[in-house]
Amino acid sequence: EVQLVQSGADVKKPGESLKISCKGSGYSFTSYWIGWVRQMPGKGLEWMGVIYPGDSDTRYSPSFQGQVTISADKSISTAYLQWSSLKASDTAMYYCARLMYISGWYIANWGQGTLVTVSS
Amino acid sequence: QSVLTQPPSASGTPGQRVTISCSGSSSNIGTNTVSWYQQLPGTAPKLLIYSNNQRPSGVPDRFSGSKSGTSASLAISGLQSEDEADYYCAAWDDSLNGPEVFGGGTKLTVL
Repeated sequence: EVQLVQSGADVKKPGESLKISCKGSGYSFTSYWIGWVRQMPGKGLEWMGVIYPGDSDTRYSPSFQGQVTISADKSISTAYLQWSSLKASDTAMYYCARLMYISGWYIANWGQGTLVTVSS
Repeated sequence: QSVLTQPPSASGTPGQRVTISCSGSSSNIGTNTVSWYQQLPGTAPKLLIYSNNQRPSGVPDRFSGSKSGTSASLAISGLQSEDEADYYCAAWDDSLNGPEVFGGGTKLTVL
């Protein structure tokens, strides 16, 4: 069974750094794109970016380029999303997601979500 | 503002058939397949439809998807109270060097 298990909720102050994780199991971690989706309180879904753990090819949505860093450690089947300096507007639920391709791209599996709260 | 346009809300009574639309452009829905996701309150989204009209195993056949030109639709027949959720469409966009784009989401209320 494919599973994406994310790290727990976190509360940070503005200006602090943060790295959240997503561990994949039940499939070949290096063979599928994995990405991050943001959902701000009461709002819709937004793709942030994706990474191919096999060669670390990473692509960011224009809105998130330069704002976050996506990485992966294939030795432990884990993808990461990190911020160097958090803002209050980064308060949101963050989901990791595994992409598949059958005639077109789609999200086959989702993590349970990591709630990030940034408040002074 | 989302690249794909969905109505913010939809509603129906138990047993009814409801459709949710998703409008895009030639760079996304016009040339790529559409997927749909269901997000029940307080939970992570779940894949409902992929490749325009394919259901993953475990998704009831009450849910169906279609695409025509630069628009797509999700239909739910035999509406049930447990279908009350947010629904999102998504498609790859060739004008962006990256992942898919989502619709703004439609909140479905079962009256």
